[in-house]
Amino acid sequence: DVVLTQTPPTLSATIGQSVSISCRSSQSLLHSNGNTYLNWLLQRPGQPPQLLIYLVSRLESGVPNRFSGSGSGTDFTLKISGVEAEDLGVYYCVQSTHAPPTFGSGTKLEIK
Amino acid sequence: AVQLVESGGGLVQPKESLKISCAASGFTFSNAAMYWVRQAPGKGLEWVARIRTKPNNYATYYADSVKGRFTISRDDSKSMVYLQMDNLKTEDTAMYYCRSATDYWGQGVMVTVSS
Repeated sequence: DVVLTQTPPTLSATIGQSVSISCRSSQSLLHSNGNTYLNWLLQRPGQPPQLLIYLVSRLESGVPNRFSGSGSGTDFTLKISGVEAEDLGVYYCVQSTHAPPTFGSGTKLEIK
Repeated sequence: AVQLVESGGGLVQPKESLKISCAASGFTFSNAAMYWVRQAPGKGLEWVARIRTKPNNYATYYADSVKGRFTISRDDSKSMVYLQMDNLKTEDTAMYYCRSATDYWGQGVMVTVSS
């Protein structure tokens, strides 16, 4: 199975600070159809995961544009440009290029 | 809007069975592979089972941890996906989420296996 390694495991940020989360894959996530099926999810406390970014860099409808995704192959990054209080929670990367789908171990964002 | 609503969770004893359900709406269900993903208390996300679409013969796949004990199924006429869980173990205790192939998630249903 594909292993996704997320760093850092925890992140402490002040309101307005910009932060980045890394997700590295044990295999290239480029599918033979040309798509890269790497998504980013946010799980707020007591809530289910919600989709933020799909196909590496596409913003899900309704998600603020302070969230952005980038990367290719095996290295991917989620950036939050100007953290807000509502952004606290655990961020996961998830890949669906290779079966079975696998998840990163999560990055917990805390607000200072 | 896409909506996934799980039901059927609860408290069961080890070796017992339980069937959980997920009602889908807001998208063309019959065209979508569907998943069950679980999250043990305080832990990360673990894929459990996947079912593909009719053109793919409703092929099913399972995590090694549940293979032979869990069965995923779907009813496209009702836009429902199910997870039959047999011979439950204490380590199956978790929140179970229904997930679409496009990464929409339900609210989850809690399954507790305890004597």
